[in-house]
Amino acid sequence: DGGITQSPKYLFRKEGQNVTLSCEQNLNHDAMYWYRQDPGQGLRLIYYSQIVNDFQKGDIAEGYSVSREKKESFPLTVTSAQKNPTAFYLCASSIQGHRYNEQFFGPGTRLTVL
Amino acid sequence: DQQVKQNSPSLSVQEGRISILNCDYTNSMFDYFLWYKKYPAEGPTFLISISSIKDKNEDGRFTVFLNKSAKHLSLHIVPSQPGDSAVYFCAASPKGKYIFGTGTRLKVLA
Repeated sequence: DGGITQSPKYLFRKEGQNVTLSCEQNLNHDAMYWYRQDPGQGLRLIYYSQIVNDFQKGDIAEGYSVSREKKESFPLTVTSAQKNPTAFYLCASSIQGHRYNEQFFGPGTRLTVL
Repeated sequence: DQQVKQNSPSLSVQEGRISILNCDYTNSMFDYFLWYKKYPAEGPTFLISISSIKDKNEDGRFTVFLNKSAKHLSLHIVPSQPGDSAVYFCAASPKGKYIFGTGTRLKVLA
């Protein structure tokens, strides 16, 4: 079954710690994306990658970092520099970074900073 | 600056009636638009899309209308069903990115 997996579903971290969220896809998609969703807000783009070993900042990249060493994987690290990290994080992919393709989303990871 | 806007945060509709969800955008260069449906604690799922060369696209109970001169699109769901209750996001896709609106929570009343 093809799809996007995110793990874990729920994640707790202490203030000041870095944490890495996993995102894996077996859809053979070139482009991958990270969003965060806060209550009452839409999806805000953190980082995106249209090809392996390349990625671009989205609208709210500060305090986050990513890597794209493999086509299938696009992990997101939430660093201690992120001032308000508690949120629902969504990973997505699309066939190419072309504008006429829809994105497919993973189930999300809810991060809570204690 | 919100480039994609959904001005109605919520909408309630009776089962069997039409649901109309609206979305406005500011950039006339946007040429591809999508609607997603999202349940709580899940990722959004793609519903329907439209490119700017069309003004209407249908898929079963879902129809999207695009008015380029007004920079406005709408999603019609007919007939509405209780299972349609969710948050609906519109999105515009310029140059490989996707810009999402803030969402409209639809509640279909049985």
